[in-house]
Amino acid sequence: NAGVTQTPKFRVLKTGQSMTLLCAQDMNHEYMYWYRQDPGMGLRLIHYSVGEGTTAKGEVPDGYNVSRLKKQNFLLGLESAAPSQTSVYFCASSRDSRQETQYFGPGTRLLVL
Amino acid sequence: KQEVTQIPAALSVPEGENLVLNCSFTDSAIYNLQWFRQDPGKGLTSLLLIQSSQREQTSGRLNASLDKSSGRSTLYIAASQPGDSATYLCAVRAYGGATNKLIFGTGTLLAVQP
Repeated sequence: NAGVTQTPKFRVLKTGQSMTLLCAQDMNHEYMYWYRQDPGMGLRLIHYSVGEGTTAKGEVPDGYNVSRLKKQNFLLGLESAAPSQTSVYFCASSRDSRQETQYFGPGTRLLVL
Repeated sequence: KQEVTQIPAALSVPEGENLVLNCSFTDSAIYNLQWFRQDPGKGLTSLLLIQSSQREQTSGRLNASLDKSSGRSTLYIAASQPGDSATYLCAVRAYGGATNKLIFGTGTLLAVQP
């Protein structure tokens, strides 16, 4: 099993450009999450999904949209990138929402100029 | 609002030393607490998961304890090795909402000197 994979690994955008980050998991997990990690702030939840076709807002959702059209994929979109969105983005998945661990992807480094 | 704090922010020890990393949280209403390891430029790897009903978990040279009433957890690393150098993150699974989300501390950066 590949676990959780993320595409791309690194990207540079200009302010105002759009892009989509792709997360894929092969563990048949229901729950998927997008986090961002910034220095001194820890990981913060952007959006999450409790199953195919569902999405919900996390702690810092502004400026991002998500879609979960297939159970194994969770897409994070930036419609108009801003320098404040420079960060490392992590996707995670889990079988349930309470007892079990979340499995994390390797991250996507995004630089917005 | 649940807040997770990790002390110290950075730690440097000589190889072979036993060490303790600390994590504190403000609200005892949690399902579980996890310790993760993060290597530079990499994702997070789960080390230990302690359910709220448990007091400790062990894996090899790692031992994590949980005192829910006082809002504290410790990660004990025995006989440290240079390969243990990484950032260690603590996260609690808090009650509330559809996701019962993970709330992370900011981590402890550990350097084990050969």
